[in-house]
Amino acid sequence: EIVLTQSPGTLSLSPGERATLSCRASQSVSRSYLAWYQQKPGQSPRLLIYGASTRATGIPDRFSGSGSGTDFTLTIGRLEPEDFAVYYCQQYGSSPPQFGQGTKVEIK
Amino acid sequence: EVQLVESGGGLVQPGGSLRLSCAASGFTFSSYWMHWVRQAPGKGLVWVSRINSDGSSTNYADSVKGRFTVSRDNAKNTLYLQMNSLRAEDTAVYYCARVGSYGLHLKYWGQGTPVTVSS
Repeated sequence: EIVLTQSPGTLSLSPGERATLSCRASQSVSRSYLAWYQQKPGQSPRLLIYGASTRATGIPDRFSGSGSGTDFTLTIGRLEPEDFAVYYCQQYGSSPPQFGQGTKVEIK
Repeated sequence: EVQLVESGGGLVQPGGSLRLSCAASGFTFSSYWMHWVRQAPGKGLVWVSRINSDGSSTNYADSVKGRFTVSRDNAKNTLYLQMNSLRAEDTAVYYCARVGSYGLHLKYWGQGTPVTVSS
């Protein structure tokens, strides 16, 4: 079973700043089958990135994903007010397809 | 438009049972793997179970194995989660989700149905 560890737990930033979120896997993620999701309070999760670096339909290009093997990064180029939320990574290359514990991006 | 609508959640006593449903529309349901994911109050997302497109293969998280059963009725475009021997720690919002067209990431999510296990 692959365990995903996200860091930091909370990121305090101002609108316009750059956000860098990390997701580290306990074993190599098969074929970079790593996704990122955004969740706002009271809402369902929304897919942002899949295949480690492919943006989902309709996702702004300020969101980018990178990485391979065991180290993955979600970067938000310039934070917009609507980007303050919780972000989860998930590996889906092996069973069980676990999630990380989440990173909260909050307004500083 | 892809829609996933969960139902069947509610309050149940410890040791009780509940069956969740997820009604799918806007796509060819029988072509896609489906998942259940849950989220306890104030906590993160936890994967629960998945089923392949024809229902012949299922997987479960260790925490629910032997108690929960995922199934689907492709004629009715509906996904199910039968939950038995419920525990307080099963209290959560339960989401159904559909995989993407070109991968097993979770592209579409329902709005969730809350389950509370309490006496």
